[in-house]
Amino acid sequence: AQRVTQPEKLLSVFKGAPVELKCNYSYSGSPELFWYVQYSRQRLQLLLRHISRESIKGFTADLNKGETSFHLKKPFAQEEDSAMYYCALEPTNKLIFGTGTLLAVQP
Amino acid sequence: DTGVSQDPRHKITKRGQNVTFRCDPISEHNRLYWYRQTLGQGPEFLTYFQNEAQLEKSRLLSDRFSAERPKGSFSTLEIQRTEQGDSAMYLCASSLRVVAGVISEQYFGPGTRLTVT
Repeated sequence: AQRVTQPEKLLSVFKGAPVELKCNYSYSGSPELFWYVQYSRQRLQLLLRHISRESIKGFTADLNKGETSFHLKKPFAQEEDSAMYYCALEPTNKLIFGTGTLLAVQP
Repeated sequence: DTGVSQDPRHKITKRGQNVTFRCDPISEHNRLYWYRQTLGQGPEFLTYFQNEAQLEKSRLLSDRFSAERPKGSFSTLEIQRTEQGDSAMYLCASSLRVVAGVISEQYFGPGTRLTVT
């Protein structure tokens, strides 16, 4: 079955602390993986995709095929990073989302 | 604003009524997707179009749901005989398929929040 698991509903950290949002996937093929973010009162938007291997807003994510993981990391959290984060898998022509993790960065 | 737009943004209806939502994708995008999101869940795929052709439908899309994209531009999603379980946020997204296997990211609209009373 194709599935994305985000085990944490809420992650609360202090400003300046490191952040790791966990994502595990289940897919037998070669995965296309994404992180989407939704800031308060804004629409869902792409943060990064694994094939681009970019760092966006200080966030990075590495695909680990052995552990079937695509965790999102940032070394120093900022208050403006507070948002809902969704990991997504694109097997064919559609996105399969996890349930999301709410990141709350405390001042 | 040249992004994906959806109308209406909110809809309250009584059980048993029919509702229709509209999505206008980014103008040059040839793919259009519908997702549904309920509280505490991530978006779930419903269906997608390439130009005017509906190429895939999720089993979540019961017979009461129908989607169209008649001219390959805007799309409508209709729900007939609404049920309380249909209450959700309905999201539309669009993307551009350039060549085989190469698809741009999906750009999402603001969603239509449906409440069935």
